[in-house]
Amino acid sequence: DAKTTQPTSMDCAEGRAANLPCNHSTISGNEYVYWYRQIHSQGPQYIIHGLKNNETNEMASLIITEDRKSSTLILPHATLRDTAVYYCIVYGGGFKTIFGAGTRLFVKA
Amino acid sequence: DTGVSQNPRHKITKRGQNVTFRCDPISEHNRLYWYRQTLGQGPEFLTYFQNEAQLEKSRLLSDRFSAERPKGSFSTLEIQRTEQGDSAMYLCASLPGTTNREQYFGPGTRLTVT
Repeated sequence: DAKTTQPTSMDCAEGRAANLPCNHSTISGNEYVYWYRQIHSQGPQYIIHGLKNNETNEMASLIITEDRKSSTLILPHATLRDTAVYYCIVYGGGFKTIFGAGTRLFVKA
Repeated sequence: DTGVSQNPRHKITKRGQNVTFRCDPISEHNRLYWYRQTLGQGPEFLTYFQNEAQLEKSRLLSDRFSAERPKGSFSTLEIQRTEQGDSAMYLCASLPGTTNREQYFGPGTRLTVT
């Protein structure tokens, strides 16, 4: 499974869009991009996933570049409750799931 | 609350003791993962079950760790002869079907080895 690279931390003002990047330059054709987040002292929570096309759900939007080597998770109107660690994961056919250290997002009032 | 429960939520044990954790997945989920998470790191894959079969196990998992899912429902993770380095959060996640990869995580069991 491909490895991902994310910034260690990011800040965002409350009410503004939070754009969290992820680099996955070695992604292969059948590998999906998944995003999870982990609020302090809780288990990770699924946010969204995609293969090639951009995706949107009630929580976020996922923008995947045409070459699929990077993606951006967008929280359109960040709130204080969105402060969390965000993980970008790429996986295809294997069972093993590899989480990196993720991006710590701080949403500030 | 995702519907995945883990017990106990916290466990303090002395070095050398054995501990066992339990995970109850969402009832219709046939697949189950165990992870370990230390401070400041993402969850680290330990093992994976499909129904009662343990299909993958991390090479980082020492002989002291064993996991079971006897009837394809709940799962247990046992650590024998605990060491201080085993102190971590142990997370369980479950999934439905065979191709869906959206994992539903439990709240975790925090282990402290003194």
